[in-house]
Amino acid sequence: DIQLTQSPSFLSASVGDRVTITCRASQGISNYLAWYQQQPGKAPKLLIYSASTLQSGVPSRFSGSASGTEFTLTIGSLQPEDFATYYCQQLNSYLFGGGTKVEIK
Amino acid sequence: QVQLVESGGGVVQPGRSLRLSCEASGFTFSTYAMHWVRQAPGKGLEWVAVISYDGDHKYFGESVKGRFTISRDNPKNTLYLQMNSLRAEDTAVYYCARAQSGGYRHPFDYWGQGTLVTVSS
Repeated sequence: DIQLTQSPSFLSASVGDRVTITCRASQGISNYLAWYQQQPGKAPKLLIYSASTLQSGVPSRFSGSASGTEFTLTIGSLQPEDFATYYCQQLNSYLFGGGTKVEIK
Repeated sequence: QVQLVESGGGVVQPGRSLRLSCEASGFTFSTYAMHWVRQAPGKGLEWVAVISYDGDHKYFGESVKGRFTISRDNPKNTLYLQMNSLRAEDTAVYYCARAQSGGYRHPFDYWGQGTLVTVSS
């Protein structure tokens, strides 16, 4: 089965910082990768799919990219509402990464 | 607007069964694949099962294969998860989620609020 390694698992940052989260697949998954944001006590929210396509209504400070089996979620300028946990997901077998919790420094 | 509302969660003893429901509205339910995803307390997301738009195809995560069944009633706009032989490790919030399209390999663009299942004696 295709495994996903998401890093870091925890990230401390300040408002206005540029933040990067990485997800590495154990084998090629083409661009079948999505990113989700989950606020405490809430359901996840789709941010990006097909590795780099922004979901409708998601702010443009969020972006995604891919290079081989390495995928990156970037938040251009962290806003207070962005402090949350982020998950990647590969869409061949729907497996999620372990998550990255972004907290206020 | 798209809405997904789960119900049926609660406290159940190990080895017993429980059926979750997810009532959909605001979209043509019969044209979308649907998923169940769970999240144990303080843990990450775990994909549980998917059912095709017509109910003909179903796939399960390894940890629930053989114990859980997914089904849907398109005229009633409702998705189900039948959970049998429940274990303590099945304790989680269970979310239903809509696939972005009727096929596979699509992300989950709408999620319900979740329903908590606690397996405990």
